Amino acid sequence: AQTVTQSQPEMSVQEAETVTLSCTYDTSENNYYLFWYKQPPSRQMILVIRQEAYKQQNATENRFSVNFQKAAKSFSLKISDSQLGDTAMYFCAFTFRTGANNLFFGTGTRLTVIP
Amino acid sequence: DADVTQTPRNRITKTGKRIMLECSQTKGHDRMYWYRQDPGLGLQLIYYSFDVKDINKGEISDGYSVSRQAQAKFSLSLESAIPNQTALYFCATKVRVTNTEAFFGQGTRLTVV
Repeated sequence: AQTVTQSQPEMSVQEAETVTLSCTYDTSENNYYLFWYKQPPSRQMILVIRQEAYKQQNATENRFSVNFQKAAKSFSLKISDSQLGDTAMYFCAFTFRTGANNLFFGTGTRLTVIP
Repeated sequence: DADVTQTPRNRITKTGKRIMLECSQTKGHDRMYWYRQDPGLGLQLIYYSFDVKDINKGEISDGYSVSRQAQAKFSLSLESAIPNQTALYFCATKVRVTNTEAFFGQGTRLTVV
């Protein structure tokens, strides 16, 4: 079975500070892709960052970066210089290169940025 | 206009009623998905379709059916709604390339009373 675990149901961070959201996953497959999605109060699911499992270099998108540890099956998200607009639910997810190509999601971390 | 449009945005229905949730996309993607989001459970796959003639069950398909009327349209039906189908439902699309992002509609909040 494919599982994604986000052990922090809720987190908060002061504006302009840095926060790290944790994610671990379990799969026996070797070829997969990892994602972080953001869901603000508007309900829209927005891609934050993606990582190919075969790449050792950690992905970065502006203030967002990941720490990908393939052997440990860990994929954490770091948000630097947190902004009020970062307040949202964050979901970790992965998909395989073959098959249904659907996303397997974690249970989410609700992040609140405090002014 | 949104690339992936879901209708209705919110719906309250009674137990036992048949209800259809609709999804249309303008992105030209061949792959379409229906997910269900419950508090504390993340999103789970209900059904997916690779084209009009290719429809497949996901993890939690019991009590649901789907129809791919065209490449751009993918509908989800609850034949006889029950209260534990109260949830937020998302349609998503993506291209065939694996590492590309999925594009989501804005969700349909369904309440079964």
